[in-house]
Amino acid sequence: DQQVKQNSPSLSVQEGRISILNCDYTNSMFDYFLWYKKYPAEGPTFLISISSIKDKNEDGRFTVFLNKSAKHLSLHIVPSQPGDSAVYFCAASAGGATNKLIFGTGTLLAVQP
Amino acid sequence: GAGVSQSPSNKVTEKGKDVELRCDPISGHTALYWYRQSLGQGLEFLIYFQGNSAPDKSGLPSDRFSAERTGGSVSTLTIQRTQQEDSAVYLCASSFRAGMNTEAFFGQGTRLTVV
Repeated sequence: DQQVKQNSPSLSVQEGRISILNCDYTNSMFDYFLWYKKYPAEGPTFLISISSIKDKNEDGRFTVFLNKSAKHLSLHIVPSQPGDSAVYFCAASAGGATNKLIFGTGTLLAVQP
Repeated sequence: GAGVSQSPSNKVTEKGKDVELRCDPISGHTALYWYRQSLGQGLEFLIYFQGNSAPDKSGLPSDRFSAERTGGSVSTLTIQRTQQEDSAVYLCASSFRAGMNTEAFFGQGTRLTVV
């Protein structure tokens, strides 16, 4: 039962253009969503998050959009840079007494110079 | 150090042997997680500790897997009678506390290879 889904295993984008990574979830109890970036041979690093009370959160080149009715979120990176090439994981938690993060399967982003 | 520390970084073991993986979380973080990433797969939740509460073991794949957290700090993940399908990167993460929306910080992982 994959509660957090990233249906695109890979994405290739030209440097300077926008990268859009998508994530869908099934559990309506999720109220906090995060994006992590992972380089090879390293642990995932936190990128940006959004609470369910918001529909958008922006941090520099990174913006996360949340559509609760569609149970969908997306990460926009603009402009994309070659250093952004990594695997991006979407994660969600139901908050409350526990903070267990459920991760998607990841999307490999390749930014071409 | 200031981050989550895992040891060893790499472990090669023979099928059937037991292994122990260690995680030192960030000081003051009460929540600790274990995940694993098999080749080409996402991050699979294994177990979650929060303070003195009973751990959430719902992700452990079999009774060969166990984990403990001593004194609310260091955690050890033990895999008994290892099998080749246990080969993966095992990742530990910690976060400040549950009940708050806060990110988890990951260690660099332990790459386990069962031969």
